[in-house]
Amino acid sequence: GEDVEQSLFLSVREGDSSVINCTYTDSSSTYLYWYKQEPGAGLQLLTYIFSNMDMKQDQRLTVLLNKKDKHLSLRIADTQTGDSAIYFCAERRWNTDKLIFGTGTRLQVFP
Amino acid sequence: GAVVSQHPSRVICKSGTSVKIECRSLDFQATTMFWYRQFPKKSLMLMATSNEGSKATYEQGVEKDKFLINHASLTLSTLTVTSAHPEDSSFYICSARPLTANQPQHFGDGTRLSIL
Repeated sequence: GEDVEQSLFLSVREGDSSVINCTYTDSSSTYLYWYKQEPGAGLQLLTYIFSNMDMKQDQRLTVLLNKKDKHLSLRIADTQTGDSAIYFCAERRWNTDKLIFGTGTRLQVFP
Repeated sequence: GAVVSQHPSRVICKSGTSVKIECRSLDFQATTMFWYRQFPKKSLMLMATSNEGSKATYEQGVEKDKFLINHASLTLSTLTVTSAHPEDSSFYICSARPLTANQPQHFGDGTRLSIL
């Protein structure tokens, strides 16, 4: 289908790792992104990965890409209460500037 | 770096009013900017792609006469919601992509539009 799918909700304890999953649609997508949105705010770019990479690590964030299964994940190590937000994955398809956003995952971190 | 400023952050106005929203890239140039609409607890829906010096490209189902887009410079795009009605109430977000190839889009903080 056309939709980029994410699970709606994830709840983790502070200090644990969080893993947010995303299934995208187009195998020709060139870049895949993770954005964070806090209440009433715009989107903050967290990280992105080029489609010929399998993994990218940036401090507490690790992105894994399984191109065969069209599956993207974001792992947040040592999750903090400030990480509570909605996380969107997005794919940029080949030969276009447009982004197709996932449905968003609400991450709730509790003490 | 890569800061996008969106103004105003919140607008409340009467039905029939036209509302202009500005999107500025503060520390980079952008030939392409994007306008999105977000409904409560939903994902972002691309409305149009704004190209500097040319007409915007609208997504299917978006009325171009209702949502006027102007991209007069490499750092500014505006969205005007003309004759706004309550159903136009929403959260509007812009983004800009730097000129350098393959750079990601950077987003503004959004505008909450409420039409009474």
